Order: sequence, then C-alpha cells, then structure tokens
Amino acid sequence: EVQLVESGGGLVQPGGSLRLSCAASGFTFSSYWMHWVRQAPGKGLVWVSRINSDGSSTSYADSVKGRFTISRDNAKNTLYLQMNSLRAEDTAVYYCARELRIAVAGIIDYWGQGTLVTVSS
Amino acid sequence: AIRMTQSPSSFSASTGDRVTITCRASQGISSYLAWYQQKPGKAPKLLIYAASTLQSGVPSRFSGSGSGTDFTLTISCLQSEDFATYYCQQYYSYPSLTFGGGTKVEIK
Repeated sequence: EVQLVESGGGLVQPGGSLRLSCAASGFTFSSYWMHWVRQAPGKGLVWVSRINSDGSSTSYADSVKGRFTISRDNAKNTLYLQMNSLRAEDTAVYYCARELRIAVAGIIDYWGQGTLVTVSS
Repeated sequence: AIRMTQSPSSFSASTGDRVTITCRASQGISSYLAWYQQKPGKAPKLLIYAASTLQSGVPSRFSGSGSGTDFTLTISCLQSEDFATYYCQQYYSYPSLTFGGGTKVEIK
C-alpha cells in the first residue's frame, strides 16, 4: 500500500524557516517524481514544487521561488521541503504527492494527509 | 499562466441525481486535464486523467469529457459518499500545475 506521511509542520514567525519531511513507503520511491502542493485554510489547491526521480531537476511556483527548496533522499525514501523567509500567505496544509508514472507528466495519483504550517507572530 | 475556472463553486443535489461540473481553461490544454475529489480533512483523490480516463478503482458512475478549453465531470447517479469538493487540474504547462477553485457538492 502506498503511504506518504508528512511531518515538520507547526507555528513559525514571519521570516522564519521550517523543513517539512515526507516519508514514503509501499512503492519504489527512487523511481517516482514527487511534488509538494499546498492548501490554505478553506481555500483551493496550489502547486508548490516538483522534483524528478534522482533529484537532479527541480521546479517551483513563482510565489516560492528563491525561498523554498525541494530535495529528496532516495536511500531514506524521504522527500523534503526547506522553507525559508516564511510569510503569512504561506500558511497552509502542505501535501506531499506522487506523480503517476505514465508517458505524460503532471498527474498526481497519491497524496499524503498533509502537515499544517502556520506563519504568524 | 494558465487559469482554471470551475462552475458552479457549489451546489446542492440529492442522492441519485445526475450532476455535472464544468471546468474551463484560459487557453487550450488539449486533454491534459485531471479531476480530483476531496473530502473534509482528507487528501485529494485522483478520479480521472487525460480528461476522460478513469483512474483504477474509481466507480464507473464518474466520467469526464472535453478537450481544448472546456471540460466536464459527470456523476451519473450521486451516492452519499460522493458529497465532497471536486477540483480540476491542468498539466499542459508542466511542470507548472494549476488547479481550479473547486466545486463543493452538498446534500440537498
């Protein structure tokens, strides 16, 4: 069974940093591209970042570019999101998500349960 | 950036109803569209991709159609477990992914 379990969320002050982790199990983690998607309270889904299977290629939404860094440790089956210079508008539930392995990229087939990040003084 | 607009944003329906949700892209995206279902406090679940391909394990009462800029998600016979919020998502501009604002289906 595919499982994605996020951790590391919490309350942080504006300008602070936080590192999210996502522990993957039930599939060959090193073969899949992975994403972070966030959802502000009561709002819709917003894509944040993506990393390819070996970590050599990353992409970011404009709203987080230069502040967030996605990475992965395939030996530990873990995905990370380092978040710096946090702002109030970064407050959201952050989901770790797996990309479906088919010829066309961009379809997310499994999501974790999410971890809440609250940026407030 | 490609914008995805869903309509309606919410509506009420009864068990057994046939319901249709619309998603419009701000530019043509071919069939690079997925639909997700999300229940309160839960992670989204993939229902349909490539506009009309049903994800494994998803009931056949769900169907999708459309291409270019206009898409629909149809639930042929609404069940109690289908009351949820539904999101469309384009992946034409990959790696940038964008979601619609969501459509909440409530019990009448």
